[in-house]
Amino acid sequence: DVKVTQSSRYLVKRTGEKVFLECVQDMDHENMFWYRQDPGLGLRLIYFSYDVKMKEKGDIPEGYSVSREKKERFSLILESASTNQTSMYLCASSLTSGTSSTDTQYFGPGTRLTVL
Amino acid sequence: QKEVEQDPGPLSVPEGAIVSLNCTYSNSAFQYFMWYRQYSRKGPELLMYTYSSGNKEDGRFTAQVDKSSKYISLFIRDSQPSDSATYLCAMSVGNAGKSTFGDGTTLTVKP
Repeated sequence: DVKVTQSSRYLVKRTGEKVFLECVQDMDHENMFWYRQDPGLGLRLIYFSYDVKMKEKGDIPEGYSVSREKKERFSLILESASTNQTSMYLCASSLTSGTSSTDTQYFGPGTRLTVL
Repeated sequence: QKEVEQDPGPLSVPEGAIVSLNCTYSNSAFQYFMWYRQYSRKGPELLMYTYSSGNKEDGRFTAQVDKSSKYISLFIRDSQPSDSATYLCAMSVGNAGKSTFGDGTTLTVKP
């Protein structure tokens, strides 16, 4: 079974703090994703990565950065946390096999971040 | 207009009912269609995956894709209280690892 783990289930931070959210997958997947999920807004893609040291902006990258130094690990960084970044953050990974891909994503349990 | 529109719900049904969850989309390049189930305070988990048009059945769940109408459905037969969750449809072109998600429909099955 694919396992995607996230470093924290719940996190409380103060405005202006630098926040690191870590995600690790154990199935050698090439693709990794960070989403935030808010009531009424669904899942919104923040950043994704196709390979080590590669990253691409998703739909809402402002205020976030990412790091992928190793294939299994994808980190989301809030450089200076703000109250409007209070949300559920979900990490996911998927496999690209040759020229085809099912694009089915495997999600972690989520990190509920509160910024005070 | 969103690329993927999902019936917003919420939906409340009695135990044993047949449930129909639906999504429409505008991008004709989508080839892969997924349904995810998300329990409260958990991450989404893949429930069904379908390639191109047609039906796929797995136990009490049937996924249906009609590419000509750009419409997908998930049917749940003999619904159980344990089916109470938010259901997300997702679709992709299939060559980039990136999916587009619907906003989700919250289903409650009452015993």
